[in-house]
Amino acid sequence: NAGVTQTPKFRVLKTGQSMTLLCAQDMNHEYMYWYRQDPGMGLRLIHYSVGEGTTAKGEVPDGYNVSRLKKQNFLLGLESAAPSQTSVYFCASSPHTSVGSYEQYFGPGTRLTVT
Amino acid sequence: DAKTTQPPSMDCAEGRAANLPCNHSTISGNEYVYWYRQIHSQGPQYIIHGLKNNETNEMASLIITEDRKSSTLILPHATLRDTAVYYCIVRVLRNRKLIWGLGTSLAVNP
Repeated sequence: NAGVTQTPKFRVLKTGQSMTLLCAQDMNHEYMYWYRQDPGMGLRLIHYSVGEGTTAKGEVPDGYNVSRLKKQNFLLGLESAAPSQTSVYFCASSPHTSVGSYEQYFGPGTRLTVT
Repeated sequence: DAKTTQPPSMDCAEGRAANLPCNHSTISGNEYVYWYRQIHSQGPQYIIHGLKNNETNEMASLIITEDRKSSTLILPHATLRDTAVYYCIVRVLRNRKLIWGLGTSLAVNP
C-alpha cells in the first residue's frame, strides 16, 4: 500500500493564481482531512470530509475549497492564491470505527510558496 | 474543547527512556488522548492513544493518571531516530477533529 500520497510535493505560485492539491489514499478510509502547518504554530485543520460527496469546514477554511468526488481522493483548491497561504499542507485519512477511536495517517506534505 | 499543555523541549540520552509529559486537565470523560510525532518536516506519525487505561504498543507506552488530567508517553529505549516533535492531543468528539498544539521537541543525544 502506498498509504497517503500528495501531489505536487512543491509549488510556487504568484498572487492571484489558482491551483489544486491532490490527496489520494488506498486504505479505503472514510475520513480525510487537509491541514496547514506554519512556523511556530501547530497543524490547523482547513477542511475535512466524513465520506464521499461530503465536506465540512475546519478551523481556517477561508480562501480554500475542497471536493471529495471519489472516496480515495480529496482535493484542496486555492482559487486566488495569497502570500498568507504560503505554508506546508498535509493531507490525512482515518478509518471509521464503531468504537469511535481512530488514528490519522498523514501524507508527506506539499510545500507551497505564494509570491 | 479540551486543550493540552506540553513542555516546549526535552533532551534524552540515547538508550535511556524518554518520558514526555502532557497536561489535559479539562478533558471530558469520554475523550481520548492521542500521541503523534513529526520527524523533521515529514507528515505526523501516529504513535498511540488511550482513554483511561495504560496502553502499550511496539513504539511506546502511554500512562494516563487516574483522574485523567495528565498523561506520559514513554519511549523505553530512545534512539537518535526518535528525535522529533511529539504532540499530545485530545480528540474533540462532536466533530472528530484533532486540535494540535506546538508539541514537545525531543532531542535524543548520543
